[in-house]
This record gives sequence, C-alpha cells and structure tokens, in this order.
Amino acid sequence: EAHLVESGGDLVQPGGSLRLSCAASGFTFSSYWMNWVRQAPGKGLEWVAIIRQDGGEQLYIDSVRGRFTISRDNGKRSLYLQMNSLRAEDTAVYYCAGGTGWLTESWGQGVLVTVSS
Amino acid sequence: ENVLTQSPGTLSLSPGERATLSCRASQSVAKNYLGWYQQQPGQAPRLLIYDVSNRATGIPDRFSGTGSGTDFTLTISRLEPEDFAVYYCQQYATSPLTFGQGTRLEIK
Repeated sequence: EAHLVESGGDLVQPGGSLRLSCAASGFTFSSYWMNWVRQAPGKGLEWVAIIRQDGGEQLYIDSVRGRFTISRDNGKRSLYLQMNSLRAEDTAVYYCAGGTGWLTESWGQGVLVTVSS
Repeated sequence: ENVLTQSPGTLSLSPGERATLSCRASQSVAKNYLGWYQQQPGQAPRLLIYDVSNRATGIPDRFSGTGSGTDFTLTISRLEPEDFAVYYCQQYATSPLTFGQGTRLEIK
C-alpha cells in the first residue's frame, strides 16, 4: 500500500522561502506522476503542480508558476516543492499525491504552511 | 481552464437515504478522466471513483459514478454514518487539473 509522508511545513514571512518534502514507500515511486495539492483553511482543494516519472516535465497552476518548483529524486523516493516569494494566499495544508497518469490515487496526510508576518 | 461546478453546496440527508451529487464541467472532460474524492474533517482526501465510474480499491459498492461529457453524478445508494463528509470531483485530463468546490453531505 502506498504511503506518503510530507514534511517541512512552517510559519514563514511574506516574501520568504520554504522547501517541502514528501517521502514515499510501499509502491514503485519512479512509476508514478506526482503532485502537490493544497487546501487553504476552510476552503476546497487546489491542484498546485505535477511532475512526470522521470522529472522531465513539470506543470504548474498559474498562480505559482515562476515562484514554486516541483522536483523529485527517484533514488531517494522523494518529492519536493521549493516555494519562493511566498504570499499570504499561499497559506494552506499542502498534500503530496500521486498515481498512474494524472490521477491522484494516493495522498499523504498533509503539512501546514503559514505565510504571515 | 476546465471549471468544475458542484451542486448542491450542502446536502442534508438521513442514514439509509440515497444521495445524489452533481458535477458539471465548463468543457467536455476528455477520456472520461473524472474522479470523486471524499474528505473527512482533518483528514486527507480519499479517492472513491476514477474514470467516471470505476470504484477505487476498497470502496464499497454503495458508491457509484455516472456521466459523460460535461455532466457527472456520484450516487451513494444507502447512506452510512461514515459517509457524511465533503465530496469533491476532479478532472485530470487537462492542465491545470481542477477540482469542484465541494459538496458537504451532512446528517439531517
């Protein structure tokens, strides 16, 4: 059974940076597309970014393109999200999720990122 | 961007009743790449249905999905107490991947 564990969430000031990590186990990580999905407090789900199995293709939602970078290390079975120039509206629980194709079959428990002065 | 609109926003029903949740897309969803998720308070979403009508592993058969093109439905045939939660539809055919705003299913 797929198991995903996020880490790296924190309180950060506007304009600051943060790197999230997601450790994967229980499945062939290198075979899955991997995503970051976020959920602002009390709000719905918002897809953020996706990366291909080999890391060669990344797609982003418009509001984070140029500020966030999704990456992966298949040898370490890990997914990352580098977040720069953070804004208050980036405050959310960030979920790591992956699956075959673009379907998000398996989800982590989420990690909270708070952007506030 | 393919905008997904879910209705109703809140659905109040009793255990044992049938629930019907709707998801309408602003553009046709290619390859029937439409899924449904359940989210309990404080928990991560859980995949229920993928490719419009296929139940994910371990999902009880009281959950079913139908639809095509731009109109999709999640039906829960007989509500159990653990089914009261928020439900989201998602299209994963085109970027950006998009979710509906959610339907809250509450106990009447």
